[in-house]
Amino acid sequence: GAVVSQHPSRVICKSGTSVKIECRSLDFQATTMFWYRQFPKQSLMLMATSNEGSKATYEQGVEKDKFLINHASLTLSTLTVTSAHPEDSSFYICSARARTGTGGQRVPSSYNEQFFGPGTRLTVL
Amino acid sequence: AQSVTQPDIHITVSEGASLELRCNYSYGATPYLFWYVQSPGQGLQLLLKYFSGDTLVQGIKGFEAEFKRSQSSFNLRKPSVHWSDAAEYFCAAVSPLPFQGAQKLVFGQGTRLTINP
Repeated sequence: GAVVSQHPSRVICKSGTSVKIECRSLDFQATTMFWYRQFPKQSLMLMATSNEGSKATYEQGVEKDKFLINHASLTLSTLTVTSAHPEDSSFYICSARARTGTGGQRVPSSYNEQFFGPGTRLTVL
Repeated sequence: AQSVTQPDIHITVSEGASLELRCNYSYGATPYLFWYVQSPGQGLQLLLKYFSGDTLVQGIKGFEAEFKRSQSSFNLRKPSVHWSDAAEYFCAAVSPLPFQGAQKLVFGQGTRLTINP
């Protein structure tokens, strides 16, 4: 259980076009999804937190008009990179938060586990 | 500020040798702690996590981690590595306080593990 998918896995586009990436929780409902960006050989940087039915919360330095996030349902969040440029080329990873058991380990009531998608490689030419 | 530090960018060990990957955190309150593994071009897989209690945590694939409050550390260990363990490893933390950071994961810089045959 707790599977998160991303589509597409790879996308190549021309500069100036827009690209949409989908993140789906396949077997659970996710009230919150997170979008990360990862440059080669670097760590994951949180871009935004997406809550179902409300506007996304962007991290400092992330352009909300550049990276449009929509979380229209409990199982789907989308990230649209608008007017993409080569510097937007990166690996984009989403995660979805769920309330689950942990195989016997007590989970604090304040914590909801995050499950990660496989990532989307965006290349802008 | 909340931060997670992995001092070693790249580690090389021989197959069959033991492994320890270091992780230190800086948080006001002891955070929840995690280790993830990422194979090239893939997403993240959770190896293990620590919330409270027993400071030695067992995970998948033969990994374990030890929480040491006095050292603000959560080091990952494996007694005998396999070639398939070659990957990028990330330590991460979440504030235990619900109102701080909306439970956002803070990642360390990652440690790339290379296995020599």
